[in-house]
Amino acid sequence: GAVVSQHPSRVICKSGTSVKIECRSLDFQATTMFWYRQFPKQSLMLMATSNEGSKATYEQGVEKDKFLINHASLTLSTLTVTSAHPEDSSFYICSAAPDRGNEQFFGPGTRLTVL
Amino acid sequence: GNSVTQMEGPVTLSEEAFLTINCTYTATGYPSLFWYVQYPGEGLQLLLKATKADDKGSNKGFEATYRKETTSFHLEKGSVQVSDSAVYFCALANDYKLSFGAGTTVTVRA
Repeated sequence: GAVVSQHPSRVICKSGTSVKIECRSLDFQATTMFWYRQFPKQSLMLMATSNEGSKATYEQGVEKDKFLINHASLTLSTLTVTSAHPEDSSFYICSAAPDRGNEQFFGPGTRLTVL
Repeated sequence: GNSVTQMEGPVTLSEEAFLTINCTYTATGYPSLFWYVQYPGEGLQLLLKATKADDKGSNKGFEATYRKETTSFHLEKGSVQVSDSAVYFCALANDYKLSFGAGTTVTVRA
């Protein structure tokens, strides 16, 4: 199947700093990428949908100024958590799809810990 | 809105035992239904799917049937192996967005 990578796999940062997470589709072009957040023992919650070359669409309750998403190419989307606080600590997962209605392929996730 | 409810875990089984993980959903329209599996240290992988009522998805010995009348998509495997130890997520897709259940951790002991 198609491969999606995320970098870094783990990151620890101080409160007030910004953290960037990369999501790459390695062997296909992804018109659409999705960002999810997963709390311990809970489900994945969709944060936003990004389409290459356009602004991301955020789900209700997700602060777009807090979670900046850029999808500048067909193989790369980035999520930047700005002015991170301990409550932003979570597992962030991306997925990529060749097109919006196609199967999503998931990255392995990034564990963010904000001290 | 859309929601998925799946059996809480963790579930611990012996090798060759029968596995069932219950999943029910609420949705508008006619969603597609999925089971994803997440092995330790890896990303979610699509295990099987069904796109319309009465469809049966199957893969790696796992099966699930799309039951519209009971709004269910229960996952079954007749004889589990240690390598089936993972977290299993039931999900539905309406339009292009996926809604996930909370996940069920399955541990298979030799």
